[in-house]
Amino acid sequence: AQSVTQLDSHVSVSEGTPVLLRCNYSSSYSPSLFWYVQHPNKGLQLLLKYTSAATLVKGINGFEAEFKKSETSFHLTKPSAHMSDAAEYFCVVSDRQRDDKIIFGKGTRLHILP
Amino acid sequence: DAGVTQSPTHLIKTRGQQVTLRCSPKSGHDTVSWYQQALGQGPQFIFQYYEEEERQRGNFPDRFSGHQFPNYSSELNVNALLLGDSALYLCASSSRGAVGETQYFGPGTRLLVL
Repeated sequence: AQSVTQLDSHVSVSEGTPVLLRCNYSSSYSPSLFWYVQHPNKGLQLLLKYTSAATLVKGINGFEAEFKKSETSFHLTKPSAHMSDAAEYFCVVSDRQRDDKIIFGKGTRLHILP
Repeated sequence: DAGVTQSPTHLIKTRGQQVTLRCSPKSGHDTVSWYQQALGQGPQFIFQYYEEEERQRGNFPDRFSGHQFPNYSSELNVNALLLGDSALYLCASSSRGAVGETQYFGPGTRLLVL
């Protein structure tokens, strides 16, 4: 069965410092992995996705994530945080080869300190 | 190019009532998925429709049912509403033929059950 674990429910960083949001997954097959962001009272927006091509995936707004099969991780990073990055971030796993179900992590709330 | 649209944006119902939520997919998409997002939680998969049939279902009771129309739009119906059904209901559309398909989310319908 698939599962995804976001290791931190809250992360606080100062503006201009690096961001690291951690995600571990479990999947019996080759997964597709996504990061979505949800700003308050807004819908979910896709940041980036991994679909078995390059292991380092670049997304929008300067975010990137690295797929590490040996560690079953897909951590999200950004070199320099901006105030507008404050939001809820969700790591998502899907297994297209198996059952198409999409599993969301519980989310990580990112706080940006001035 | 219109994205995913949902109606209504907000809804208030009382216990025992029935509700219908509507979703129009992004242009070119043929698959619609529904999610329930309780306050402070990640979205949970309810079910997915493709070719007017329910293809996958999450762990939700039969009170939750849906429909997809020939134009790919979809409805989510919830019968015998419970207080615990209060949540943000998200619709996502995708193209089933795409590998590692990306789901595009609508803004959601916020349902409050009193």
